[in-house]
Amino acid sequence: NAGVMQNPRHLVRRRGQEARLRCSPMKGHSHVYWYRQLPEEGLKFMVYLQKENIIDESGMPKERFSAEFPKEGPSILRIQQVVRGDSAAYFCASSPGTLKSNQPQHFGDGTRLSIL
Amino acid sequence: GQNIDQPTEMTATEGAIVQINCTYQTSGFNGLFWYQQHAGEAPTFLSYNVLDGLEEKGRFSSFLSRSKGYSYLLLKELQMKDSASYLCAVPPGGQNFVFGPGTRLSVLP
Repeated sequence: NAGVMQNPRHLVRRRGQEARLRCSPMKGHSHVYWYRQLPEEGLKFMVYLQKENIIDESGMPKERFSAEFPKEGPSILRIQQVVRGDSAAYFCASSPGTLKSNQPQHFGDGTRLSIL
Repeated sequence: GQNIDQPTEMTATEGAIVQINCTYQTSGFNGLFWYQQHAGEAPTFLSYNVLDGLEEKGRFSSFLSRSKGYSYLLLKELQMKDSASYLCAVPPGGQNFVFGPGTRLSVLP
């Protein structure tokens, strides 16, 4: 059983470029979550998606950040015109349903984004 | 608002027992999760509590008191490989997690 797959593991961008982070959930999981982890800090929720729908994007910055989870293919977190402060580890997690059913979220290995 | 608090760092000796505390104040409660995260790696699920009391799973146990907004993770017979960050997380609405800052545990020989 493949776990949550994220790619790339490491991504380097220059200021002003675009970053695209991909996440394929575990087989059978239709709920995807993106979190950001700054160095020496905890995980912060960004966005929660189900297939073709954004359910909750309350943790997403209003500008430059967007996320999608198309009917076919992985979920994509897109950061436009990156700035130094975007340097962080971005983790994707998936679950088969809402957490009320005590199904834990399973995390991918993350994408470490570095902005030069 | 949502607030979850944990000690930032703890140190313990190999073979010892350590207790990592977590206090929470959240708008909703659908259980409390503990995750382990080694440096540079993904968080991995350790335990889940939704009712008051102690849940034991091998060397790891987790306790919950809903009335006090309090949980702890107990690690027994510490091993060097237990050096990691331990994350307390609550899903207030049953969906996304609110995570605590994490407790970095160092196990010394």
